[in-house]
Amino acid sequence: EIVLTQSPGTLSLSPGERATLSCRASQSVTSNYLAWYQQKPGQAPRLLIYGASSRATGIPDRFSGSGSGTDFTLTISRLEPEDFAVYYCQQYANSPRYAFGQGTKLEIK
Amino acid sequence: QVHLVESGGGVVQPGRSLRLSCAASGFTFSTYPMHWVRQAPGKGLDWVAVISYDGTNKYYADSVKGRFTISRDDSKNTVYLQMNSLRPQDTAVYFCARDPGFCSGTSCYIYWFFDVWGRGTPVTVSS
Repeated sequence: EIVLTQSPGTLSLSPGERATLSCRASQSVTSNYLAWYQQKPGQAPRLLIYGASSRATGIPDRFSGSGSGTDFTLTISRLEPEDFAVYYCQQYANSPRYAFGQGTKLEIK
Repeated sequence: QVHLVESGGGVVQPGRSLRLSCAASGFTFSTYPMHWVRQAPGKGLDWVAVISYDGTNKYYADSVKGRFTISRDDSKNTVYLQMNSLRPQDTAVYFCARDPGFCSGTSCYIYWFFDVWGRGTPVTVSS
């Protein structure tokens, strides 16, 4: 059973800085079937990235995904105030095909 | 615009039942698989169930198998989650989510990620 581990648990940065969030899988994610979601307090999650690096519709290009195999990264090039939220990764290739990471909280420093 | 709106949540005693609904608009509902995902207070995301675009395939998390049933009514553009024998650990916000799905040849499949989400409906199981 695949397990996703996100790091760090909390990331404290200032607007304008670059954010790098990590998602590590316990086994290789087939076909890089890895998605990233953003969730703000009291709101539904929003799909940011799928297929490890494809941006979802309407997602600004400051968000980018990379990685393959067991190591994946979400990068936000220049943080905007609205980017401070919790981010989850999810793999959808291996059993169980709905496994989420535990989340990274991106907070304002 | 694509929208999913959940309803039916509330406070219920352990062992009782509740039926959640999710009304879809802005897209051709009958061509998409649909999921339910929940989030306990202060916790992460927890997948619950999925139904294929044509309703023939349904899958459940082990934690709800045998107690919850997912269904859909394409004439009403609505997906349902019937929850029986509720437990305090079922307390969560329940989101419905669209799966983008994909087709290969004459067969269509669940993609198992979530491209559109509703705002959720809260369920509290407490005596």
